[in-house]
Amino acid sequence: AQSVAQPEDQVNVAEGNPLTVKCTYSVSGNPYLFWYVQYPNRGLQFLLKYITGDNLVKGSYGFEAEFNKSQTSFHLKKPSALVSDSALYFCAVRKSNFGNEKLTFGTGTRLTIIP
Amino acid sequence: GAGVSQSPRYKVAKRGQDVALRCDPISGHVSLFWYQQALGQGPEFLTYFQNEAQLDKSGLPSDRFFAERPEGSVSTLKIQRTQQEDSAVYLCASSIYQGARMNTEAFFGQGTRLTVV
Repeated sequence: AQSVAQPEDQVNVAEGNPLTVKCTYSVSGNPYLFWYVQYPNRGLQFLLKYITGDNLVKGSYGFEAEFNKSQTSFHLKKPSALVSDSALYFCAVRKSNFGNEKLTFGTGTRLTIIP
Repeated sequence: GAGVSQSPRYKVAKRGQDVALRCDPISGHVSLFWYQQALGQGPEFLTYFQNEAQLDKSGLPSDRFFAERPEGSVSTLKIQRTQQEDSAVYLCASSIYQGARMNTEAFFGQGTRLTVV
């Protein structure tokens, strides 16, 4: 079975400070990892993904994430937070082999950027 | 269209009523997924189509839930004899299928919020 843990329900960061939203995963074999963001009354918007290659992946709106195989983590980061980054963030994992396309999501982390 | 479109956006059903939720995926996307998102939770997988073939329905919670995609484009999620525990946001997503390299991201619709009263 595959699973994702987002240990923090809520993260508060001052505007302009760096932010980190944590994610750890469990999956057999090599993982495909994703971050999505959800604004109120909106669907999930794709931010970035790790498939293979460089452990540091860059995505939309200045976000990046670092894949750490030994720690089974995929933390989301941004060097300087904006108030507009306030939203609900979901980490997701799926298996890399054919026939296992479904995503398993974490419970989400609410990020609040304080002006 | 430009994105995944779902209708209706909101649905209120009386307990025991049947409902049908529609999903229009991005044009040309082969893969289509349905997820259920309860309040305060992450999305939970329901079912997956590749074209018209339903390849995985392991997440459907009961035989009251049924999904179809007869022509490989528009999909409908049907819930029969709705119960209060069915109240949730139902999300549809689509992605391009790249053969064995199923590594493309899924694009989500805005969802249908179902409230069973």
